[in-house]
Amino acid sequence: DTGVSQDPRHKITKRGQNVTFRCDPISEHNRLYWYRQTLGQGPEFLTYFQNEAQLEKSRLLSDRFSAERPKGSFSTLEIQRTEQGDSAMYLCAGMRGRSNQPQHFGDGTRLSIL
Amino acid sequence: GEDVEQSLFLSVREGDSSVINCTYTDSSSTYLYWYKQEPGAGLQLLTYIFSNMDMKQDQRLTVLLNKKDKHLSLRIADTQTGDSAIYFCAESIYAGGTSYGKLTFGQGTILTVHP
Repeated sequence: DTGVSQDPRHKITKRGQNVTFRCDPISEHNRLYWYRQTLGQGPEFLTYFQNEAQLEKSRLLSDRFSAERPKGSFSTLEIQRTEQGDSAMYLCAGMRGRSNQPQHFGDGTRLSIL
Repeated sequence: GEDVEQSLFLSVREGDSSVINCTYTDSSSTYLYWYKQEPGAGLQLLTYIFSNMDMKQDQRLTVLLNKKDKHLSLRIADTQTGDSAIYFCAESIYAGGTSYGKLTFGQGTILTVHP
């Protein structure tokens, strides 16, 4: 058990709809990361939170994507007006504050756009 | 920029050793990780090493780091069918707090273990 829960595990939606994913790390994970993984590829970094502050965003995070971590605990990732290319596994990782600690991943949310 | 490369496939027989290789490009102070991913699941941390180390051993797993060649390997001793999965090498860089520890992953190596 990594201590990171993601919900839902699977999401199927029609193109153009909005979707929201949730990530719940353990309380010790003051750092939180979102990644996207497409089929046959390694995960790619999307964004990073330290407590409630969003400190880094990838160029992959277009204007249709928004992430929040309002109280420094759980985080949400929203995609507006979904497109076919958004189909992927969205992974969340939590990490304790020190730089020598590894990231622990949840099981991910698989998004399928019809 | 950061780039991590791995060979795509490895096939071994049960009981043999597996060696999965990875090369990276950034020579800054860094941590290097090995994660395992089974179908439909997230990433399971296997082991990690800091760039000032040459080797790390953890039960059946041995990590070797050649800093000069920027080459990392993961050796799995006595490979079992349950080790069949995708193995990802990943790099994180801490450059004065500006990189925030994001991971850059390789494409993954699909390990197939035959009985």
